[in-house]
Amino acid sequence: KQEVTQIPAALSVPEGENLVLNCSFTDSAIYNLQWFRQDPGKGLTSLLLIQSSQREQTSGRLNASLDKSSGRSTLYIAASQPGDSATYLCAVKDFNKFYFGSGTKLNVKP
Amino acid sequence: EPEVTQTPSHQVTQMGQEVILRCVPISNHLYFYWYRQILGQKVEFLVSFYNNEISEKSEIFDDQFSVERPDGSNFTLKIRSTKLEDSAMYFCASSGGLAGGQETQYFGPGTRLLVL
Repeated sequence: KQEVTQIPAALSVPEGENLVLNCSFTDSAIYNLQWFRQDPGKGLTSLLLIQSSQREQTSGRLNASLDKSSGRSTLYIAASQPGDSATYLCAVKDFNKFYFGSGTKLNVKP
Repeated sequence: EPEVTQTPSHQVTQMGQEVILRCVPISNHLYFYWYRQILGQKVEFLVSFYNNEISEKSEIFDDQFSVERPDGSNFTLKIRSTKLEDSAMYFCASSGGLAGGQETQYFGPGTRLLVL
């Protein structure tokens, strides 16, 4: 069974810092990997989707990379802002099932 | 911008009662999903639905659960006889449905279910 792990569980940084969130998965036979943000008590907002054949995707200040062979993905956030404060989740599609990590809770201090 | 909607936002029910959670996916999407998130735990996949049938389900999705697309817009999750451990936030999601369903999933705001 696929296991998805995210490190660190929590992160607090001053505004303006660049930061990296990590996601690892145990079975490299995935179809895609998606990064989400979740605000307290709210639904999930999709940030980036990386297909299994891709190595990275970019959207604005966000860049996600995927290394299937090592079972890892990273989400890079440039020039962090207080509005980036949320929990960031990664999810992998493994055949037709989806597995989520526990998330990284990010706090960006003004 | 199109969005996934869910009703109700909160539901309180007694153990053993049936509940139906409703979702309206994005209108041109073909794949539909239900997830749950127990407080403080991971988001867990329940079921995916395509072409009017279940395409995949997790071990959680036992005989107490069922899904239905009763018309062209709604997608429902029914829990037949609720248990205390069914208390969770339930999320509906939809995706556009390229071949293999390799597209971004869009989530609704969730229904918080509390079973007493």
